[in-house]
Amino acid sequence: NAGVMQNPRHLVRRRGQEARLRCSPMKGHSHVYWYRQLPEEGLKFMVYLQKENIIDESGMPKERFSAEFPKEGPSILRIQQVVRGDSAAYFCASSPGGTPGVDTQYFGPGTRLTVL
Amino acid sequence: GNSVTQMEGPVTLSEEAFLTINCTYTATGYPSLFWYVQYPGEGLQLLLKATKADDKGSNKGFEATYRKETTSFHLEKGSVQVSDSAVYFCALSALGSARQLTFGSGTQLTVLP
Repeated sequence: NAGVMQNPRHLVRRRGQEARLRCSPMKGHSHVYWYRQLPEEGLKFMVYLQKENIIDESGMPKERFSAEFPKEGPSILRIQQVVRGDSAAYFCASSPGGTPGVDTQYFGPGTRLTVL
Repeated sequence: GNSVTQMEGPVTLSEEAFLTINCTYTATGYPSLFWYVQYPGEGLQLLLKATKADDKGSNKGFEATYRKETTSFHLEKGSVQVSDSAVYFCALSALGSARQLTFGSGTQLTVLP
């Protein structure tokens, strides 16, 4: 059973460009989460999605960031007009969607975004 | 709000030493508690979890007990190996917080041969 897949693993963008990060959840998982890890820090929650729905985006910056999880295909985290402060590791996790608080999240290997 | 406080790192131990990494939490309701491990350049792997008070999670020689009275979930291992060198994250998921995980800042562990 393949784990959570993320691509690309490394992404370099210049200031002002767009970054698209992809996440394919584990087979049978319908819940996807995105987290950001800044250098030397823990992970911070960004957004929680189910198929075609954003459930909780309380951790997303109000501008330039968006996420989707379409009916077909991977979840996408999109960052428009990137700035140097967006440089971080972005991790996707998925879960099968059991009881809230007990449902276990499994993480992908992350995408390391570098903004020049 | 929910928060997790972890022991400051880095921690350096000799092989076969005893390991404790402290973790305390603040949460509304009764959270589930997790330890994740991150090896260099990789994503997080679930190490162990506990979903109710007095539960003990264990895996690969690591253990942690959910202590509601002290709001703690300390990670322990009796004899560490060089291969245990990694960053360890304590996390919680609280009922009513829409499933998001709240992480501690992580503790870097280095085990020397």
